[in-house]
Amino acid sequence: EPEVTQTPSHQVTQMGQEVILRCVPISNHLYFYWYRQILGQKVEFLVSFYNNEISEKSEIFDDQFSVERPDGSNFTLKIRSTKLEDSAMYFCASSVPNYGYTFGSGTRLTVV
Amino acid sequence: EDKVVQSPLSLVVHEGDTVTLNCSYEVTNFRSLLWYKQEKKAPTFLFMLTSSGIEKKSGRLSSILDKKELSSILNITATQTGDSAIYLCAVDPYTNAGKSTFGDGTTLTVKP
Repeated sequence: EPEVTQTPSHQVTQMGQEVILRCVPISNHLYFYWYRQILGQKVEFLVSFYNNEISEKSEIFDDQFSVERPDGSNFTLKIRSTKLEDSAMYFCASSVPNYGYTFGSGTRLTVV
Repeated sequence: EDKVVQSPLSLVVHEGDTVTLNCSYEVTNFRSLLWYKQEKKAPTFLFMLTSSGIEKKSGRLSSILDKKELSSILNITATQTGDSAIYLCAVDPYTNAGKSTFGDGTTLTVKP
């Protein structure tokens, strides 16, 4: 069964450093998303991406965050200057219209 | 602000029992309600519900949406230990598929 692949599975970074989280969505999917889940809290929407541009973003997705689809397969989330409160599990997901979302296995980001 | 409330927050049953998980929502311009199963890491898509009163079924799992009551239930019959997981409910607004609002989840524990 097709999968959404995320790398790395775990990243530890120092506060203030830039991180890039990588995702390879399912090849025939057209819509891509990033969500995060702080330990013990709800899954939260960050951003959706379609046709090479952001279609929607949440209040969490401020100027420190950016997304990119640098080639035909990768979809990345960059956090420019990490803060302690950015520590969370970050999920990438992809979808086709009128169907549910396929999530990747996540990247656990720990900011120290 | 969109809101999703799940109940109960946790549930312990024995193998063979039938369980009903509840989800209620308040969302502007409702598009769809989604159920996911979350074991250890990534949410796994179970059902997408858009029309009231139509049951979706997959094996021992089934779900139905009541748009008048702004709620949905997820039923699991003949539970097995492998059903132990967090069950997440999420709703999507009509204008922005993927901008899901998630509930806190119901933690189901199935004992042998």
